[in-house]
Amino acid sequence: EVQLVESGGGLVQPGGSLRLSCVGSGFTFSNYYMNWVRQAPGKGLEWVANINQDGSAYSYVDSVKGRFTISRDNAENSLFLQMNSLRAEDTAVYYCGRDQRWNHDYWGQGTLVTVSS
Amino acid sequence: QTVVTQEPSLTVSPGGTVTLTCASSTGAVTSGYYPNWFQQKPGQAPRPLIYSTSNKHSWTPARFSGSLLGGKAALTLSGVQPEDEAEYYCLLYYGGAQPWVFGGGTRLTVL
Repeated sequence: EVQLVESGGGLVQPGGSLRLSCVGSGFTFSNYYMNWVRQAPGKGLEWVANINQDGSAYSYVDSVKGRFTISRDNAENSLFLQMNSLRAEDTAVYYCGRDQRWNHDYWGQGTLVTVSS
Repeated sequence: QTVVTQEPSLTVSPGGTVTLTCASSTGAVTSGYYPNWFQQKPGQAPRPLIYSTSNKHSWTPARFSGSLLGGKAALTLSGVQPEDEAEYYCLLYYGGAQPWVFGGGTRLTVL
């Protein structure tokens, strides 16, 4: 059974940092692109970042460029999102998802990030 | 900035048929945008329904179908059930520096 489990969310002050993790199981993690998607309270979904199978290529939405870094450890079946210089507008549930080349087929249950003083 | 537009809300009667659409500010949506569709109910993670325009996941009910319609991606629900009441999102592929963009979502009410 494919599973994706996010962790690392919590309350952080504006300007602070947080590192999200996502562990995959039930599939060959290194074969897939991986994505982070977020949803602010009461708002729609927003694609945030993705990374290719070996971690050599990645993309970000403009609003997080220079502040967020996506990475992966295939030996640990893990995906990460390092979030720096956090702003109130980064408050959201963050989901990790598997991307089987244009087919977003499995997502985690999400982890909540709250940026507030 | 690329914008993907969906109907904000739609209402359908149980047993009826409804089509949700997904338009791109860049022009007509084609198969090369690999449209994905997701269903989300309150307090739950999004659930994938359709990928690459019209392909269903193993868990996607048969009453859901995807297509291209009039330059847009479309999700059609035939024989709507009360449990189909949810928010529906499309996701389009643009490649480049920001490869994926979600639509704003359609709130479907079954009434």
